[in-house]
Amino acid sequence: AQTVTQSQPEMSVQEAETVTLSCTYDTSESDYYLFWYKQPPSRQMILVIRQEAYKQQNATENRFSVNFQKAAKSFSLKISDSQLGDAAMYFCAYRSAGTYKYIFGTGTRLKVLA
Amino acid sequence: NAGVMQNPRHLVRRRGQEARLRCSPMKGHSHVYWYRQLPEEGLKFMVYLQKENIIDESGMPKERFSAEFPKEGPSILRIQQVVRGDSAAYFCASSPPPALGSAKNIQYFGAGTRLSVL
Repeated sequence: AQTVTQSQPEMSVQEAETVTLSCTYDTSESDYYLFWYKQPPSRQMILVIRQEAYKQQNATENRFSVNFQKAAKSFSLKISDSQLGDAAMYFCAYRSAGTYKYIFGTGTRLKVLA
Repeated sequence: NAGVMQNPRHLVRRRGQEARLRCSPMKGHSHVYWYRQLPEEGLKFMVYLQKENIIDESGMPKERFSAEFPKEGPSILRIQQVVRGDSAAYFCASSPPPALGSAKNIQYFGAGTRLSVL
């Protein structure tokens, strides 16, 4: 069975600095997708970035980028120039290409210090 | 284009009562998924529905929980005879008809319903 592990329950970053959130996963499949979702206090789940496993190039969305290491089964999220509005829970998620179920990690709470 | 709408945002029930959670998918989406989030945990898949069909309910508890997505109206997650352990946030997501193997099959989430059982 696939699993997703986020080993950092909580992280802090100074405003305007860079922070990296870790995510590892376990799967025997070769074709899958990885996602980072942001959950602010409003509880709305917001898609931040996604990565297709068959793509070697790391995905980037403005200040958000990933470091995808397929062999190591690692998928970290880097947030550059952190802003107060980035404070939230961040969830890493996995979906096999052959299914629709998302498997989520337990989340990392990011605090942004002014 | 409105997003996924869930109501109520917060639902309080006493033990033994019934809870009904509603989800209206995004316009054009015919596939609905329900997830449960226990405190300090990630979301866990419960059930996947298309209009008038349950496709996969492997994540649903065997008793007291049921879900439907009728031809008209929202999807409903129903919990009968609630217990304190049912207290959680319940999220609905929707997608267009999934094309397996396509990254475009992204699930869009609602803001969730927080169920509190007293």
